[in-house]
Amino acid sequence: TQLLEQSPQFLSIQEGENLTVYCNSSSVFSSLQWYRQEPGEGPVLLVTVVTGGEVKKLKRLTFQFGDARKDSSLHITAAQPGDTGLYLCAGEAAGTYKYIFGTGTRLKVLA
Amino acid sequence: NAGVMQNPRHLVRRRGQEARLRCSPMKGHSHVYWYRQLPEEGLKFMVYLQKENIIDESGMPKERFSAEFPKEGPSILRIQQVVRGDSAAYFCASSPQRAAEAFFGQGTRLTVV
Repeated sequence: TQLLEQSPQFLSIQEGENLTVYCNSSSVFSSLQWYRQEPGEGPVLLVTVVTGGEVKKLKRLTFQFGDARKDSSLHITAAQPGDTGLYLCAGEAAGTYKYIFGTGTRLKVLA
Repeated sequence: NAGVMQNPRHLVRRRGQEARLRCSPMKGHSHVYWYRQLPEEGLKFMVYLQKENIIDESGMPKERFSAEFPKEGPSILRIQQVVRGDSAAYFCASSPQRAAEAFFGQGTRLTVV
């Protein structure tokens, strides 16, 4: 069974601070996605990473896929209250064609 | 292009009743995934379907739960004889092909009373 562990589980920071969220597994993934989910809504796709070592940027968000494709990180620069939400990573284990979700990181950015 | 549509958004059922959750994928998408989310938790995979076929149902309880994705019409997740533990948010996602990016609906929040 593939498991994706996210850390930290909860994070409360002040506006303007930087933060990093981690997504780790002992399994290799063909691809990995990051989602943000707000209360009462479905997850919204932020990015997909496919190649080991790949780095993608989305405005103040930087996503990295580990060289061995077992882990990923999401770094947010100068966090804003609008970044508040549940951040989920989801990995597609090779050959399974389904995405397994991580445990989630609940971020709260205080104004 | 409309997104993934799920209905109803909220569903209340008494213990022992049946719950039917519907998911209309995005136009052109023939792959559907169902996930369950308990409060304050991540999403748990339930089932992956392609038109008229169940590809992977390894996350779905063997009893009381079933899913279908007919040639015409929405995908249906059916829960028979619901119990309080079935209370959760159920999300559907669709993609145009295997292992492609999946887009989620807004979910159906099932409450069993």
